Amino acid sequence: EPEVTQTPSHQVTQMGQEVILRCVPISNHLYFYWYRQILGQKVEFLVSFYNNEISEKSEIFDDQFSVERPDGSNFTLKIRSTKLEDSAMYFCASSEGLENTGELFFGEGSRLTVL
Amino acid sequence: AQSVSQHNHHVILSEAASLELGCNYSYGGTVNLFWYVQYPGQHLQLLLKYFSGDPLVKGIKGFEAEFIKSKFSFNLRKPSVQWSDTAEYFCAVNAYNQGGKLIFGQGTELSVKP
Repeated sequence: EPEVTQTPSHQVTQMGQEVILRCVPISNHLYFYWYRQILGQKVEFLVSFYNNEISEKSEIFDDQFSVERPDGSNFTLKIRSTKLEDSAMYFCASSEGLENTGELFFGEGSRLTVL
Repeated sequence: AQSVSQHNHHVILSEAASLELGCNYSYGGTVNLFWYVQYPGQHLQLLLKYFSGDPLVKGIKGFEAEFIKSKFSFNLRKPSVQWSDTAEYFCAVNAYNQGGKLIFGQGTELSVKP
């Protein structure tokens, strides 16, 4: 069964460092997303991406964050200068298209720990 | 703004007990409703979804949920839980035809004792 894969599964970084989280969405999917979950809190929407551009982003997704689809398969989330409060589990997701609105397929997550 | 509320933070049941997890949402328009499950160490998986039609939807592994529009609720049920149902359960909502942005509830951790 096709699945969304994420790397790394866990990354530890120092405050102020740049981090790139990588995702390989399901190959025929057109919509890509990043969500995050701070320990003990809700899963929160960060950003959605379609047709090589951001289609929607949340208030959390400030100038420190960026997303990119550098090639036909990867979808990356970059945090330019990490803060302690960026420590969270980051989930990538993808979906086929609007006719399947909301049916997202999630990766296993990348745990980011900022020290 | 849309929001989702799950009433129970942690539920502990014995095997064969019945389960009902509450979920309420706030949004005035048409919504799509979902329950996702996250087994320990695994990714979020779709349990079931409601887009339209019969408000009682059946999902995988014997789960079902009922959409009650007047109560803005989408409670998850299972008549007899198993130890393997131990997981975290997330209710989620998105506004109809507004893309895949999901608003999640805070999750309910279910522990089933053998």
